[in-house]
Amino acid sequence: DGGITQSPKYLFRKEGQNVTLSCEQNLNHDAMYWYRQDPGQGLRLIYYSQIVNDFQKGDIAEGYSVSREKKESFPLTVTSAQKNPTAFYLCASSEGLVKFFGPGTRLTVL
Amino acid sequence: AQKVTQAQTEISVVEKEDVTLDCVYETRDTTYYLFWYKQPPSGELVFLIRRNSFDEQNEISGRYSWNFQKSTSSFNFTITASQVVDSAVYFCALSEEVDNDMRFGAGTRLTVKP
Repeated sequence: DGGITQSPKYLFRKEGQNVTLSCEQNLNHDAMYWYRQDPGQGLRLIYYSQIVNDFQKGDIAEGYSVSREKKESFPLTVTSAQKNPTAFYLCASSEGLVKFFGPGTRLTVL
Repeated sequence: AQKVTQAQTEISVVEKEDVTLDCVYETRDTTYYLFWYKQPPSGELVFLIRRNSFDEQNEISGRYSWNFQKSTSSFNFTITASQVVDSAVYFCALSEEVDNDMRFGAGTRLTVKP
């Protein structure tokens, strides 16, 4: 089945540690995105990539980093510089106007 | 700057009631796109509909209908004869360009009680 997978579903991290969230898609989409969702708020764009080996900062890129070495993969690293990383992270891909989302990763910093 | 407002934070209805979720948007562009997504408890956002700014026709899909009114900058979503499975958070979103610049409202949490 075509779709977007994110792993892990739940992730716990100690303060000061970097952690990488996985996002893979087999939809053959060029564009991929990372969003952060906090309780009671809409989604906010962290980073996006419209093509392999290229990515752009979104509204809240500080404390995050990404790579896009393969079309299918767009991993997000939450670094220790991110002051408030506990949130729900959603990955998406698109071919045109509509974005399709993965199941999300819930990150909790202990 | 584009902005999307979903004033209803939470709505609770009893099964079989009709319910309307409001969405008001702001944009300076004449060409833009509006979306509704559903987020069930599992967390994944599910695409429901996309509307182009130049097409004000209302749309119906089964129990779902959408009322797009440019005069009031609104794109409201109605569920007829609601069911428990409709319980979710619903997001309205606006995009002025292809791909990267999609703005989401804060979402409306709908609870349908049996």
